[in-house]
This record gives sequence, structure tokens and C-alpha cells, in this order.
Amino acid sequence: NAGVTQTPKFQVLKTGQSMTLQCAQDMNHNSMYWYRQDPGMGLRLIYYSASEGTTDKGEVPNGYNVSRLNKREFSLRLESAAPSQTSVYFCASSETWDSKYEQYFGPGTRLTVT
Amino acid sequence: AQSVTQPDIHITVSEGASLELRCNYSYGATPYLFWYVQSPGQGLQLLLKYFSGDTLVQGIKGFEAEFKRSQSSFNLRKPSVHWSDAAEYFCAVGSGTGGFKTIFGAGTRLFVKA
Repeated sequence: NAGVTQTPKFQVLKTGQSMTLQCAQDMNHNSMYWYRQDPGMGLRLIYYSASEGTTDKGEVPNGYNVSRLNKREFSLRLESAAPSQTSVYFCASSETWDSKYEQYFGPGTRLTVT
Repeated sequence: AQSVTQPDIHITVSEGASLELRCNYSYGATPYLFWYVQSPGQGLQLLLKYFSGDTLVQGIKGFEAEFKRSQSSFNLRKPSVHWSDAAEYFCAVGSGTGGFKTIFGAGTRLFVKA
């Protein structure tokens, strides 16, 4: 039982390049989330998917797109990377019934945009 | 709108001393409240959660937190800190609207001195 996995662990991009961050969970959770973590700002929600087939914007969606490929997988795409997107990105999943709202986090992807 | 404030950016305690990390939230209804811990280079792990009922909740690793509605607070406590508790701690508040979105505080970094 791997929990939440993310690839890659590290990535360096040049301004204007694109990339997709992959996330998968094996806990059969309905909801999945993408956050970015910047020093002194905690975690900020980029996008979330309450259930398979739905996605919604979070606090900081500009410059990102997401795809909920199936129940297990939720990817985050940067179409044209900017230095302001240098951050650590975390994927998380949760169940949203029977008070099981806690989120399970992946190990993160450290992205640097030069 | 929901918000979470952690007034202390960092705290240093001696090993064996007691610990209290402060958290204040803003939310219109009864909140779902969480404390997460993040060790260096890792994702977040749930310490404890409060949804309803007893206002003193117990978590893993000997942590507890008390929900005080009158003060809009959910402070985290531990009677005796161990060196392995050095980490960053995040308070979070969630709602069930449209999935389950969680807002995180900026975090408090705990340093433990021998």
C-alpha cells in the first residue's frame, strides 16, 4: 500500500517550458488535491477534485491546469512555467464521507523555474 | 471566508519541557479542525482532528489539542517534548462545501534543544 505517490521528486525548468506533475493514490479516495508550499505561507490550494470527473479551482489556480484521469490519478500541468511557480508541490487525497476528511499527502515535488 | 492564524513562526523548547502551539481560526459554522506535522523533506502527516463532541482530542505521538469555541482557538499541546518532535506544525480548518477544502495556517517551526 504505497499511499500517495508523486513524480518527479525534483525538476528544473526554464521559463516558458511546460511540464506535468503526476499524482496517484491507492486508497480508493474520492477527493484529490494539489497544493503549493512556499516559505512562510503554509500550503495553498491550487486545484481540487471532489470526485472523479470533477475539478475546481482553489486559492491560486492561475498558470495551472489539472486533469482527473481516473479515480486514482490527478495530474497538474504548467503550460508555460514562470519563476513565480518555483515551489514545492504536494498532492493529497481524502475520503469525504463518514467524517473521514483527513488528507493524506505525497512526498512532494520540488520545482525550480529559472 | 475561512482563515487560520498561527501567531508563532517558530518556537524553541528544551527537551522534556511542555509545548503549546497556538492556532486561531475564522469560520462561520462549527469547523472541522486539524493539526498536521511535516518533518524536513516530507509530506504532511495528520496528528489529530476535531469535528464534534469532546473538545479535548488526543492524537498520535502524545499530542492533544483543545477546541475553544469562545476563543476560536485550537491549540496543540504536548506535556514532554522529545528531540524527534522537531518539525513544522500546521493547523488547518476545513469545510464540506463542494468536496472538502482545507485551509492551512502558515505553520510553526518547532526547534528542540538538548
